[in-house]
Formats: sequence, C-alpha cells, structure tokens
Amino acid sequence: QSVLTQPPSVSAAPGQKVSISCSGSSSNIGNNYVSWYQQLPGTAPKLLIYDDNKRPSGIPDRFSGSKSGTSATLGITGLQTGDEADYYCGTWDSSLSALLFGGGTKLTVL
Amino acid sequence: QVQLQESGPGLVKPSETLSLTCTVSGGSISNYYWSWIRQPPGKALEWIGYIYYSGTTKYNPSLKSRVTITVDTSKNQFTLNLRSVTAADTAVYYCAKGSYTEDYWGQGTLATVSS
Repeated sequence: QSVLTQPPSVSAAPGQKVSISCSGSSSNIGNNYVSWYQQLPGTAPKLLIYDDNKRPSGIPDRFSGSKSGTSATLGITGLQTGDEADYYCGTWDSSLSALLFGGGTKLTVL
Repeated sequence: QVQLQESGPGLVKPSETLSLTCTVSGGSISNYYWSWIRQPPGKALEWIGYIYYSGTTKYNPSLKSRVTITVDTSKNQFTLNLRSVTAADTAVYYCAKGSYTEDYWGQGTLATVSS
C-alpha cells in the first residue's frame, strides 16, 4: 500500500477532460514539490509535470498540475487515445527521507 | 539530449548480488544527481536511491542495508549493487537523471531472481 494514494483507474471519452488525484500528508505533498509521470505500455516513465505545476520542454499544455494542501492533481484536457497510460505522482517524504511514488492510475480513453 | 542505458545480467540466483550499470551519453555525469528506480511486474514504481556525481548517496530506508550505488565519472557511468536478493527483487530496473524529479530515464532492464 503506497503512502501516496491515487485512484486505480479513471476513464473518459476522446476530447474530454480528466483529473487524477494524489493524496498524501504534510511530510510529503504538503511540504515538498510533486512530479507526475506518464508510462505508456511497455515503456519507461516520462516526466510530465515537475515542481507541482511546471511542464518540461515538449510537453503539451493539455497536461497541467496543481496542488492544494496535502493533495495534488494532474489534469489532462482534449483526451486522445494516445494518452492511454499509467500515471504516477512522486514526491519527497521528509519524515521517511525517501522519494515516494503513488500506486499509479490507469487512464482509459473510451 | 541526455540518454541513459542500463546493462547487466538478466538472471540472478537467490542470495547473490544484483549488479547493474547505467551508462550516460549525450552529456556529462558531473554536476547532477542520478537515481535507480525499480518496478516489479504489474506493480508501481519504487525508488531505490540516488548518487551525486561527487559520490554522496541516499538510499530507500527499506533497502538501505542491501544497496550500494557508486559512480565512475571517468566512464560516465553509475552502478547499482543489491545484495542478498530474493524473488521479491524481480523487477524492471530503471536508471534516471535527478534526485526528487527524474527528467531522463533509461529504457529499463528486467532482472529476474531465480535459481
């Protein structure tokens, strides 16, 4: 069981918007930056969002990140079939002194 | 564009040591943090630890007693050693650039623990 809690799965139709949540505590999300990763089937994770809401070069603005208190959210608009993947949140935990990842959320674009 | 490539044996016997090397190309290993992360089949990502190019390390407390990460700046490589492995250590092992945010990842290598 992960310290960072994500919904196991979410789904939406092409063109729609979806949000993926990541819930933690004051020792992790509440006081450290959150990153989000996309893992397409059979491939390595890819950085989508860092420092809560920043996008690396080359990541489209359809992807966005936000944080409030001890929860973070990844938003994806204009869903495409190519967005079907597992999405992971990650952040440092100051109490555990360890980098944590959420359990992952499988996105299905219906 | 930084590229990372993991290498090492795909099969390790129980109780032995898993050794993997990550070779960095397209940039220098200096002045950055470098991480190892693993993913058991069908499961979530798990952070193993990171190393700074100077040799400073930090490990996952749950693995700390069995893990050593080293760096060779002359070869632009860093290495993972995981001792006393069991079947629970079977996973895809990724090397990545960064400490708390990993912006470049290797393709991953499957390491299976079996006799």
